[in-house]
Amino acid sequence: DAKTTQPTSMDCAEGRAANLPCNHSTISGNEYVYWYRQIHSQGPQYIIHGLKNNETNEMASLIITEDRKSSTLILPHATLRDTAVYYCIVRVSNTGNQFYFGTGTSLTVIP
Amino acid sequence: GAVVSQHPSWVICKSGTSVKIECRSLDFQATTMFWYRQFPKQSLMLMATSNEGSKATYEQGVEKDKFLINHASLTLSTLTVTSAHPEDSSFYICSALSGSGYEQYFGPGTRLTVT
Repeated sequence: DAKTTQPTSMDCAEGRAANLPCNHSTISGNEYVYWYRQIHSQGPQYIIHGLKNNETNEMASLIITEDRKSSTLILPHATLRDTAVYYCIVRVSNTGNQFYFGTGTSLTVIP
Repeated sequence: GAVVSQHPSWVICKSGTSVKIECRSLDFQATTMFWYRQFPKQSLMLMATSNEGSKATYEQGVEKDKFLINHASLTLSTLTVTSAHPEDSSFYICSALSGSGYEQYFGPGTRLTVT
């Protein structure tokens, strides 16, 4: 079962930062937080992952709270092509690295 | 990032027939692959974990005799939907676990329609 909760949908103005929250209050100490996105009728695309520290790559930044019970994915300058469903996933590490997807957040970037 | 392909990208079959979907890791070896199913406007649901050279592990509620998984090599896993019914119509997606075990790379998905 998914261990994350996310808002169902969000809007963001083009060019502005998109901040997508995720709650994972039951996360265990050695479980990673992953973010993927899925554009309609395609396979999910990896964005970023982290354990404790904040992470940044060319696509996004991941901010994880100190207690690790929540995180935020930040797309610094949203474009229309960032419109997608964003999934926050806690990776199950003790039984085979499975991903259990939650409902995700449908992000719409508005011109 | 690593590339995972699926074949076919879409398939239409008649009720009662079987259909095979292939998942290949193109530029890396994957001892573990995963199969997901996604219905319209829903999230991905993990069906099974496929390990090279051993039997697949199915999630609760997934019929192993209906969804046959074979992972005969380090770059290929197949999912066969046997005796397909219209309710099996769905988007089937595979993923491959990287050697480090930290990343899952997803295929583009296969759209199955059973008439």
